Amino acid sequence: SQQGEEDPQALSIQEGENATMNCSYKTSINNLQWYRQNSGRGLVHLILIRSNEREKHSGRLRVTLDTSKKSSSLLITASRAADTASYFCAPRTGITGGGNKLTFGTGTQLKVEL
Amino acid sequence: DGGITQSPKYLFRKEGQNVTLSCEQNLNHDAMYWYRQDPGQGLRLIYYSQIVNDFQKGDIAEGYSVSREKKESFPLTVTSAQKNPTAFYLCASSSRLAGEGFEQYFGPGTRLTVT
Repeated sequence: SQQGEEDPQALSIQEGENATMNCSYKTSINNLQWYRQNSGRGLVHLILIRSNEREKHSGRLRVTLDTSKKSSSLLITASRAADTASYFCAPRTGITGGGNKLTFGTGTQLKVEL
Repeated sequence: DGGITQSPKYLFRKEGQNVTLSCEQNLNHDAMYWYRQDPGQGLRLIYYSQIVNDFQKGDIAEGYSVSREKKESFPLTVTSAQKNPTAFYLCASSSRLAGEGFEQYFGPGTRLTVT
């Protein structure tokens, strides 16, 4: 497994604005997953993008993947106060056996203000 | 209602005592994981199990032990050998079926405080 590194560390925006956070990783991946964590809670899986996909949408979420740059971005459109949370990316290699492991970075803390 | 449960939500222990954190899932997942999260930090993998009666150390296994006697259950024991056990502990599970993305499903966490 490998660590995804999220950027920025923290982001503060107004409700209604878009929020973009980025993830970089080191080696080839099978897929890349994004998770959200509300304060003091468990993580929730948001979206998965496979290595042969370039863009994926789910509701107000849009994820892009650039395997040549080893990077991904998560865009949240028309943000709401309820989107306030930490967001983590988790790259997954295609290695069998230990390949189910995910390694999480320190995340991007998003604050959406009214 | 399918999901992962962790108990208790808050746990307080005196230094030198072993403590066991519970994790149960009814998602029929083969793989289960334990993570530790410290304030403002990401998750660090303690142990994981891909199948019943088998488990592997993660990145920070020292001072912890696990068992996987049943598919549904993956308890974590924090032993007195763990030098800094106060943390938020998260359990997760995932499918191992071919073609799955191996998304992980998380429990609500147990906040352990050792004084």
